[in-house]
This record gives sequence, C-alpha cells and structure tokens, in this order.
Amino acid sequence: QKEVEQNSGPLSVPEGAIASLNCTYSDRGSQSFFWYRQYSGKSPELIMFIYSNGDKEDGRFTAQLNKASQYVSLLIRDSQPSDSATYLCAVNGEYGNKLVFGAGTILRVKS
Amino acid sequence: NAGVTQTPKFQVLKTGQSMTLQCAQDMNHNSMYWYRQDPGMGLRLIYYSASEGTTDKGEVPNGYNVSRLNKREFSLRLESAAPSQTSVYFCASNIKDPGEQYFGPGTRLTVT
Repeated sequence: QKEVEQNSGPLSVPEGAIASLNCTYSDRGSQSFFWYRQYSGKSPELIMFIYSNGDKEDGRFTAQLNKASQYVSLLIRDSQPSDSATYLCAVNGEYGNKLVFGAGTILRVKS
Repeated sequence: NAGVTQTPKFQVLKTGQSMTLQCAQDMNHNSMYWYRQDPGMGLRLIYYSASEGTTDKGEVPNGYNVSRLNKREFSLRLESAAPSQTSVYFCASNIKDPGEQYFGPGTRLTVT
C-alpha cells in the first residue's frame, strides 16, 4: 500500500467551477501536510500547507484536514485555465524530516 | 537570488557511464534533498542532507551516491548508469520544516 494515495485523474472542471482534489495517507503519526503544484515540464512549487484539523484558506485555495480519517483535500474555487497542472499531496514521513509524495492528480480546467 | 540551481538541464548517458548532477542553493538553507520523478510514481526521495556534513538514504538510494560539499552544494553521483535510472531528477532545499521545500528546475537524464 502506498503511503500517500491520490487519484491520478485527469480531473476536468469547467472554468469558474470548484475543483476538489483528494489525498489519503497511511501514517497516523504524520503531522504536516502539503500541496504542491507542478506545471508540465516544470518543478513543483508549494501552494498550501496545513497542520491542524479543519480548513485553511488562502485566496482561492482551501486545504482541509481530517486526521481521524487520514484524509487531506484541496479545494480550488473559481477555477481558471491557468490552474491546469498536476497537484502533488505530500506528508511528512516517519521521523518528521522527510516528505512522502503522492503520485499527483492532473487537473484540467476548460474554458 | 537564484534560489536552487541544477546542472546540467539535460543529459544522455550510455549504460555503464558515470556522471555527477550538481545542485546549489543561495538561500542559506540547512537541508537539501535529491528526488527522482517517474511517470505515475510521483517524487521519490533518493538521499537527503539535514545539515552540512550529514547525509542519509531515502526511499530509493541504490545506484546513487551523494556529497554535501558545503552548506550551499549537494551533488548526486551515478557511478554506473543503468536504463532504470532514466528519470527527471530534482534537487530541493529548505531551512527547517521538511515540507516547505524549494525545488530546482530539474535534470532530465536518459540512459540508453
């Protein structure tokens, strides 16, 4: 079983809609959760992080964490074509000093 | 302020050849990481260095060696390249928290 699971997609949403990206993890001791965005042919860049249960909002992005269910999600409101990318979920590893990445979800926003 | 830089950007090797991938950061970060990214596999950690003078294995270290030359530079060496090492290699760094990592532009390596 992979430590961090994501649906590979592609997830297709129309422009202006809400995109919902999901991630589950296996290590109950994980404390930190991150979302990276990666455009095709580019390197990953951090867009959100969350440490506590609940929601964290930053502009059009909302990260949601449920540690009991070992589930973290990213909502993108008012999706734009420029949001089309692969979104990588990352969780801190066993000893807290390494990240474990999911395989990523491809998001396509159609205008 | 260039952030994280990597050289070369592209490389083609024949099986059995060796090469070193270079990484440097100018953000005074303590920790540095080497990942490989393959289609459908996400990013997998090869080696990391929590501070100057220390290195540790990640998830997929076989076939690789690393050197933390100083606080700025962290190199990855392939002693005898194999086709299974065809991948995109990313270097990353951060100051303390493991998650807020800054990535270099990547090196696309093909081993024939």
